[in-house]
Amino acid sequence: AQSVTQLDSHVSVSEGTPVLLRCNYSSSYSPSLFWYVQHPNKGLQLLLKYTSAATLVKGINGFEAEFKKSETSFHLTKPSAHMSDAAEYFCVVSPQWTGGYQKVTFGTGTKLQVIP
Amino acid sequence: DTAVSQTPKYLVTQMGNDKSIKCEQNLGHDTMYWYKQDSKKFLKIMFSYNNKELIINETVPNRFSPKSPDKAHLNLHINSLELGDSAVYFCASSQEQGRGPTGELFFGEGSRLTVL
Repeated sequence: AQSVTQLDSHVSVSEGTPVLLRCNYSSSYSPSLFWYVQHPNKGLQLLLKYTSAATLVKGINGFEAEFKKSETSFHLTKPSAHMSDAAEYFCVVSPQWTGGYQKVTFGTGTKLQVIP
Repeated sequence: DTAVSQTPKYLVTQMGNDKSIKCEQNLGHDTMYWYKQDSKKFLKIMFSYNNKELIINETVPNRFSPKSPDKAHLNLHINSLELGDSAVYFCASSQEQGRGPTGELFFGEGSRLTVL
């Protein structure tokens, strides 16, 4: 079984300040973890992914996330927010292949608001 | 060249009507999905096909019928539309490792269905 919890449904930051979007997961298997971004009226786009290589993962547009097994967390960060970062962000967990078909699980999303 | 394309982008229709949404991917992926996103941005998987074989069929009313004529296409037909069917429907594709999901999904831009 697996699940993912995004701890904040809404985060508001000022332009130029750091961004932190929190995600906790649980998984019976070694997980792969992802962050997706959805801009208004658009589909979801992959920001970054963790698949058991380096625990600090760098993604597009200056975002990065750190896999912390002891804390079962995969928080998304960015040093300096830009207006174009305003969007909905989804944390996703997927079990690494166990020999059978497993589903990908989406978090409920965090809406990031960037204030000028 | 769009990787995952869905048509139409918008549908507005009356209760009781039937409608279809089409999806095509040119990524050479083996697996395609339909997701429903409600007004609170929650994403729920509906169906998944792997090489034209139905592998995920969530608890979805049987008014919803997917069809995959080949692995590059996955269509969704909805009969007797109800108010609660109003949502954004996303098509996605992925390249699986064996039978297991990678979690790396490529999404279309969505089809916004409004039932009046």
